[in-house]
Amino acid sequence: GENVEQHPSTLSVQEGDSAVIKCTYSDSASNYFPWYKQELGKRPQLIIDIRSNVGEKKDQRIAVTLNKTAKHFSLHITETQPEDSAVYFCAASKSNFGNEKLTFGTGTRLTIIP
Amino acid sequence: GAGVSQSPSNKVTEKGKDVELRCDPISGHTALYWYRQSLGQGLEFLIYFQGNSAPDKSGLPSDRFSAERTGGSVSTLTIQRTQQEDSAVYLCASSLEYARGYTFGSGTRLTVV
Repeated sequence: GENVEQHPSTLSVQEGDSAVIKCTYSDSASNYFPWYKQELGKRPQLIIDIRSNVGEKKDQRIAVTLNKTAKHFSLHITETQPEDSAVYFCAASKSNFGNEKLTFGTGTRLTIIP
Repeated sequence: GAGVSQSPSNKVTEKGKDVELRCDPISGHTALYWYRQSLGQGLEFLIYFQGNSAPDKSGLPSDRFSAERTGGSVSTLTIQRTQQEDSAVYLCASSLEYARGYTFGSGTRLTVV
């Protein structure tokens, strides 16, 4: 089955700097890659996703890149703010619409230092 | 409903007892998923229901775990003869058949003592 590895497990960034979280996946048939943000004690929430037919997607301060050949994808957060502090999970699935089971990475705890 | 609803929010049970966890998905969502999140860990897939298709049970860790979904809506996850290692947050999520990503519920925190 699919295996998703995520790193780093923890990341501390000065407010205003950029943060990058990287994930690799094992199943070349995977074609949908969402990212979830989970604040302390709350449910995971989808923040951005990318499908395999594109290499990059941006939404304000957040961007995701995908390299299908290398089977890795990354989350980039620019101009970080204290409210970006949370645990971020990457995931992969074989569905184009993300409605089949997602395999999640183990999470990255991002701390923004004021 | 407006979101995915799970109950109870917290459950403390004695080792060896059975527990039932309930999930009410968003109305009209055909897909329903159960995941487990142990303290400080990632999300472990348990089971997936899609419409009237047979559920994907490949993530259930043992035969003590089972789940059903009645009428294509509410789902119940049952854990029989609970063990301490079953302690975790059990998250339910739902999605439209052709939608991006899931909407998660707030989870049920299960503690086995």
